[in-house]
Amino acid sequence: DAKTTQPNSMESNEEEPVHLPCNHSTISGTDYIHWYRQLPSQGPEYVIHGLTSNVNNRMASLAIAEDRKSSTLILHRATLRDAAVYYCILRDVFGGAGSYQLTFGKGTKLSVIP
Amino acid sequence: DAGVTQSPTHLIKTRGQQVTLRCSPKSGHDTVSWYQQALGQGPQFIFQYYEEEERQRGNFPDRFSGHQFPNYSSELNVNALLLGDSALYLCASSLDARGRLGEQFFGPGTRLTVL
Repeated sequence: DAKTTQPNSMESNEEEPVHLPCNHSTISGTDYIHWYRQLPSQGPEYVIHGLTSNVNNRMASLAIAEDRKSSTLILHRATLRDAAVYYCILRDVFGGAGSYQLTFGKGTKLSVIP
Repeated sequence: DAGVTQSPTHLIKTRGQQVTLRCSPKSGHDTVSWYQQALGQGPQFIFQYYEEEERQRGNFPDRFSGHQFPNYSSELNVNALLLGDSALYLCASSLDARGRLGEQFFGPGTRLTVL
């Protein structure tokens, strides 16, 4: 899996939008961009994924740059429950035997201020 | 619908001992992956089981072994425990038919402390 780069930490005020960036300059054409988050004392949970177009679901939006070398996870109104470590992960949908795993970096620790 | 469950929640062992951790996947899932998460780090992939066989393995020594049962549940075994094996062990299940786009659903983990 190609490497991703994320800031170590970010802060947001409650009820304000949050934009979490991810750089993946070596992304290949068959890499999907996945986001997972890990709340304190819990296992990671899936947030969203996309290939080229922007994606929305009930949890978040994913904005993908036109050249696909970066993406941004958008939480429209941060709540205290959104305080977590957010991981940006690339998955090659046509990858070989080495691509079944999720390759986590250190992620971005998001703090939400009441 | 119960999600992924793991047992035990916490475990304390001494160096040189052996440990077995257990995982029941989310209902309908047929694939189980195991991850190790050291404090302050992201989870690291240990291996994945599908159809009762190890399909893929990460960079972990042979002391780490596993098993998948016909009901898709799984065990992770670690022999000759080292202090560095202290970590949170996470189990994740998925549906193979969804391929590499399928979500992995994680359990709450087992906290292993090696003294």
